[in-house]
Amino acid sequence: NAGVMQNPRHLVRRRGQEARLRCSPMKGHSHVYWYRQLPEEGLKFMVYLQKENIIDESGMPKERFSAEFPKEGPSILRIQQVVRGDSAAYFCASSPPDRGGTEAFFGQGTRLTVV
Amino acid sequence: DQQVKQNSPSLSVQEGRISILNCDYTNSMFDYFLWYKKYPAEGPTFLISISSIKDKNEDGRFTVFLNKSAKHLSLHIVPSQPGDSAVYFCAASYNDMRFGAGTRLTVKP
Repeated sequence: NAGVMQNPRHLVRRRGQEARLRCSPMKGHSHVYWYRQLPEEGLKFMVYLQKENIIDESGMPKERFSAEFPKEGPSILRIQQVVRGDSAAYFCASSPPDRGGTEAFFGQGTRLTVV
Repeated sequence: DQQVKQNSPSLSVQEGRISILNCDYTNSMFDYFLWYKKYPAEGPTFLISISSIKDKNEDGRFTVFLNKSAKHLSLHIVPSQPGDSAVYFCAASYNDMRFGAGTRLTVKP
């Protein structure tokens, strides 16, 4: 049973380009969370998704950021027109449908560098 | 909107002594609390959890205490080992999961 898979592990983008970060949850997991860790800071909640639904996006910047979790395929975090301040580690976590007090499992993260 | 707070960014303890990491939360709807450990360049890994119906959960050297009236939980590590040096995040969940900013624990030999 593979863990949460994030790719790419490292992503370099020039200012103004688009960044696409992918997260494949663990098998059987239908809940996905995205977190961002800025340099020297802690984990900041961005968005919580279930299959085909955004449940809570209160942590997402209002512009340029979007997330989806389609019925088939991985969850995608998309950042348009990246700026240097977007450079961070982005972590995705997944949990099973019956949350019932279970932990979320994290991927290894994608480290985005904007040059 | 900091619903989960870890007010100590860092903690340094001597090997063999107790490490106590603290966490406060504001949302009384949270019903499940977790601690994660994170090494550099890796994703957080689950360490220990506690349901809101309990006030203590122990797993080997790790014990989590929950004080619901104070909306406070803590992680005790005893005895601390150099390999415990990492960033520790507390998390609280209800419908979704929110994390504190983390505490960097350094255990000195």
